[in-house]
Parts: sequence; structure tokens; C-alpha cells
Amino acid sequence: QKEVEQDPGPLSVPEGAIVSLNCTYSNSAFQYFMWYRQYSRKGPELLMYTYSSGNKEDGRFTAQVDKSSKYISLFIRDSQPSDSATYLCAMRSSSNTGKLIFGQGTTLQVKP
Amino acid sequence: ETGVTQTPRHLVMGMTNKKSLKCEQHLGHNAMYWYKQSAKKPLELMFVYNFKEQTENNSVPSRFSPECPNSSHLFLHLHTLQPEDSALYLCASSHPQDTQYFGPGTRLTVL
Repeated sequence: QKEVEQDPGPLSVPEGAIVSLNCTYSNSAFQYFMWYRQYSRKGPELLMYTYSSGNKEDGRFTAQVDKSSKYISLFIRDSQPSDSATYLCAMRSSSNTGKLIFGQGTTLQVKP
Repeated sequence: ETGVTQTPRHLVMGMTNKKSLKCEQHLGHNAMYWYKQSAKKPLELMFVYNFKEQTENNSVPSRFSPECPNSSHLFLHLHTLQPEDSALYLCASSHPQDTQYFGPGTRLTVL
């Protein structure tokens, strides 16, 4: 079993839709959770960063962490064509190594 | 663009060539990383350097040789690569155990 599972998609939605992206994980030691956005031919850029359980909102983006279910989500409201990209979840424990474990990435296409 | 730059952006090499990838970060970080990104696979961590010292080698074949002369620069020396090594090679930097910031990557094709 992979440490982090993420549906690769592709996910196609109309402009203005609410998008839900998800990852599940198996390691209960993970404490820090990130979402990266990667456009084609670019490196990943940090979108959201959360610690432990709870919600975090930044503009149209909301990150949720449910540690009891080992499940994290990224919601995008009022999706735009410019949101079309691959979204990578990543997580790590608080140990000294700080090693990030990534999901496979979900490819999102927002159609005008 | 982020504060992490990578050169070259694209590289095509034969299996007998020797080439190097370069990464430079302008963020004042002390940790630098090499990742490999292949199609339909999660990012694979290859090497980690903290304060110029290698702290992780993720069972990477010896045909990949990293070098970190200072906290701002990171190299990946390549020799006798295989076609399956074709991928996007990403460099990242961070404060130790903090959020990682990525460069744009080098798209490597091994013929």
C-alpha cells in the first residue's frame, strides 16, 4: 500500500464549479500537510500549508485535514480556466528527517 | 519564477555522455533537494543536503552523483544514464524541515 494515495484523474469541470481534490494516507505520524500546484512544464508551487487537523482558507482555496480519517482535501471555489493544472498533495511527520511524501497528483481541467 | 533556478531547462543526452544539472537558490535556505518526477508517478526524493552535508541518499544509482559546494548551489552530475532515467528533475530548497520551494525543473531525455 502506498503511503499517500491520490486519484490521478483527469478531472474536468466547467468554469465556476466547486472542485474537491483529495488524498488519503496511511502513516498516522504525518503532521504537516501541503498542496502544491504544478502547471505544465513548470515546477510545483506551494498553494496551501496546514499543520495537524482543521481547515485553512486562502481566497478561493480551502484546505481541510481530518487526521482521524487520514484524509485531506483541497476545495477550489468559483474555479477558473487558470486553475487548470496538476495538484499534488504532500505531507511529512515532525521527525528530524522532514522527508516529504507526495501523492501522484490530480490533473484538473477547468473548461470555459 | 520562484527563487530557485535550474539550468539547463532541457537536456538531451546519449547513454555514454556526461552532463551536469545546476540548481541555485536565492532564498537564504540551508537545505536543498533533488527530486525525480516521472509520468504518472509521485515525486521521488533522490538526495537531501543540509548545510552542505548530504543527509539522505534515497537508494539512488551511482550514475547520479550530487554535489553541494555551498548552501546556495546544488549540482547533479550524470554519467552513463539509461533511457528509463528520462524524467523531469526538480530541485527544491527550504529551511531545515520547513516548506520546500521548487525550481522549474530540467527535462532530461536519454537516448
